[in-house]
Amino acid sequence: GQQVMQIPQYQHVQEGEDFTTYCNSSTTLSNIQWYKQRPGGHPVFLIQLVKSGEVKKQKRLTFQFGEAKKNSSLHITATQTTDVGTYFCALQVLFNKFYFGSGTKLNVKP
Amino acid sequence: GAGVSQSPSNKVTEKGKDVELRCDPISGHTALYWYRQRLGQGLEFLIYFQGNSAPDKSGLPSDRFSAERTGESVSTLTIQRTQQEDSAVYLCASTFRSGGDTTSWEQYFGPGTRLTVT
Repeated sequence: GQQVMQIPQYQHVQEGEDFTTYCNSSTTLSNIQWYKQRPGGHPVFLIQLVKSGEVKKQKRLTFQFGEAKKNSSLHITATQTTDVGTYFCALQVLFNKFYFGSGTKLNVKP
Repeated sequence: GAGVSQSPSNKVTEKGKDVELRCDPISGHTALYWYRQRLGQGLEFLIYFQGNSAPDKSGLPSDRFSAERTGESVSTLTIQRTQQEDSAVYLCASTFRSGGDTTSWEQYFGPGTRLTVT
C-alpha cells in the first residue's frame, strides 16, 4: 500500500529561526498537497505541487517537489508565532483518495 | 454557505450506542471525503463520494461504519455499536476539480465532530 513518511514529528524553534518539514513516499507521485492545521482547528489547504522539481513560494513559505516526484519539502523562513500548527503533506492516489502524512507539529517560541 | 459545516460539533456517547454525524459540503462541490483523526495523529481516509458514482468505501475500518450521500448534497456518517477506539475527530472535506494549467483537488475541511465514546 501507499507509504507516506513525514519528518520530523515535532519541531521547536525560536521565533526568527527557519523550519523545514519533509515528506517521503515509497512510490512516484502524480502530485502532492500541503495543509496546515492550527491547534484546535481543521486542515487548511496551502498548495499543490505537480511537476518534477517544482518550487513554489508563498511569502515566507517555500515548497519543493523532488525531481523523482517521490519527496517534497516545506520550508518556512524566519518563523513567526503565527506559524504554529501541524503541517501535513497529502498524496493523491488517482483522483479519489488522499493519503495524509502523520504531520509535523511546529512550536515557535516568542 | 461560506464553508463546509458539520454537526454536531461534539458528541459524547456510551459504548454500544449508534451515532450519526452530518456534513454539509460547499455548494457546487462534487466530491466529498470523510476522515478520522485520532488525538495527535494524521488524517485517516474513510470514504469518498463523487457525484452519483459508487462511493469508495475502502477506508472504512469495519462494517460498523457506513456513510451515505444524496447527490451532491449532505452526507451522513453512521457508526453503529460504538467502541472506545472510535473516539476521534471526524472531519469532512469537500472539493471541486479546478482546471487551468494544474488540475487540483483542493480540499475544504469542515470544523469536525469530536466523538467521545465512554
